[in-house]
Amino acid sequence: NAGVTQTPKFRVLKTGQSMTLLCAQDMNHEYMYWYRQDPGMGLRLIHYSVGEGTTAKGEVPDGYNVSRLKKQNFLLGLESAAPSQTSVYFCASSPVATPNTEAFFGQGTRLTVV
Amino acid sequence: DQQVKQNSPSLSVQEGRISILNCDYTNSMFDYFLWYKKYPAEGPTFLISISSIKDKNEDGRFTVFLNKSAKHLSLHIVPSQPGDSAVYFCAASEEGGSEKLVFGKGTKLTVNP
Repeated sequence: NAGVTQTPKFRVLKTGQSMTLLCAQDMNHEYMYWYRQDPGMGLRLIHYSVGEGTTAKGEVPDGYNVSRLKKQNFLLGLESAAPSQTSVYFCASSPVATPNTEAFFGQGTRLTVV
Repeated sequence: DQQVKQNSPSLSVQEGRISILNCDYTNSMFDYFLWYKKYPAEGPTFLISISSIKDKNEDGRFTVFLNKSAKHLSLHIVPSQPGDSAVYFCAASEEGGSEKLVFGKGTKLTVNP
């Protein structure tokens, strides 16, 4: 059982380049999330989705776009990468957003923008 | 303004002893609290949670205590094991919404053999 899989695991981008991070989950979860983690910081929510075809902004959405065309996939796009977007990105999913449900995380994508 | 605070960046304990990780919050609307554990190069994994209607929840070696009046929760690990060495994140949400989870900065626990 793969759970939540993120692709790629590592990437180096030049300033101004674009890229897409892919998140795939095989647990039939409704909710999916993208977080970023920076040194000395907690996890901060970028965007999330409450179901196929829906997206919503989180705490730090600027500079990112997302799409949820299929229930099992949640894509995070950087149109014009900036050094401030150097971070570790985590995707997560959960069955529903209830008090008794925790989120399941992927292994992370380490992105460096030079 | 940080709504969930883990004021100790690191904690070191001896194997077999108790580990106590602390977390404070400022938002009185938070009604659900979780602890996640994270090993290097892995994603966070859920450890234990507690609803605001309770003051204690126990799962094996792990116990979470909630003091609503002090807006404080703590995670106790007894006995601590070397495999518990990881970064522990406290998280909180209001109205039970997973999309509204707010994380602390984490505490790195080292359990020495």
